[in-house]
Amino acid sequence: ETGVTQTPRHLVMGMTNKKSLKCEQHLGHNAMYWYKQSAKKPLELMFVYNFKEQTENNSVPSRFSPECPNSSHLFLHLHTLQPEDSALYLCASSPYQINEKLFFGSGTQLSVL
Amino acid sequence: TQLLEQSPQFLSIQEGENLTVYCNSSSVFSSLQWYRQEPGEGPVLLVTVVTGGEVKKLKRLTFQFGDARKDSSLHITAAQPGDTGLYLCAGGDSNYQLIWGAGTKLIIKP
Repeated sequence: ETGVTQTPRHLVMGMTNKKSLKCEQHLGHNAMYWYKQSAKKPLELMFVYNFKEQTENNSVPSRFSPECPNSSHLFLHLHTLQPEDSALYLCASSPYQINEKLFFGSGTQLSVL
Repeated sequence: TQLLEQSPQFLSIQEGENLTVYCNSSSVFSSLQWYRQEPGEGPVLLVTVVTGGEVKKLKRLTFQFGDARKDSSLHITAAQPGDTGLYLCAGGDSNYQLIWGAGTKLIIKP
């Protein structure tokens, strides 16, 4: 399999649940990203990992917790989310962390009830 | 705060028509990327422009970077239903950060 794969594609969770989003890239890239996409708003960068080290955390609430065990895998752990966290969560990778040529996964559509 | 304004926000036209969408800012960017996002999928990079005044063509799509590197346009000739999607522009700043526009939602009706 090639490209960037995200699972699950859809997720519905209550505010007290704990769930995790998974991202895997088969491109040999060194940088991986989590973005939040809400309707009619620009993509919001959440976290960046470069060579497995977190290099950016854009003031994201602690109810979102990223994990990058290796250069190919990225997780986003979710707990006690709010309804306003409902959005499409996109994972992306790039050869280097210079924000060029991002390759995106298909995203996880998250609904928080 | 750097902003990228995309216009129009929404455009619905008939197959075969031409269209132009715009990406504007008061800031200078070192590069400008255009992505297309189809329903249920992530954005896919179409092109990157880096030189002021640069024009790139991708089949029926023509991308232009403004002379001052503050704006860009995407022109589609003879639009087809397969061009339907959300078109996103993203500007690269001097700190290698990407500034995203909110997108233009394009619908091409058969």
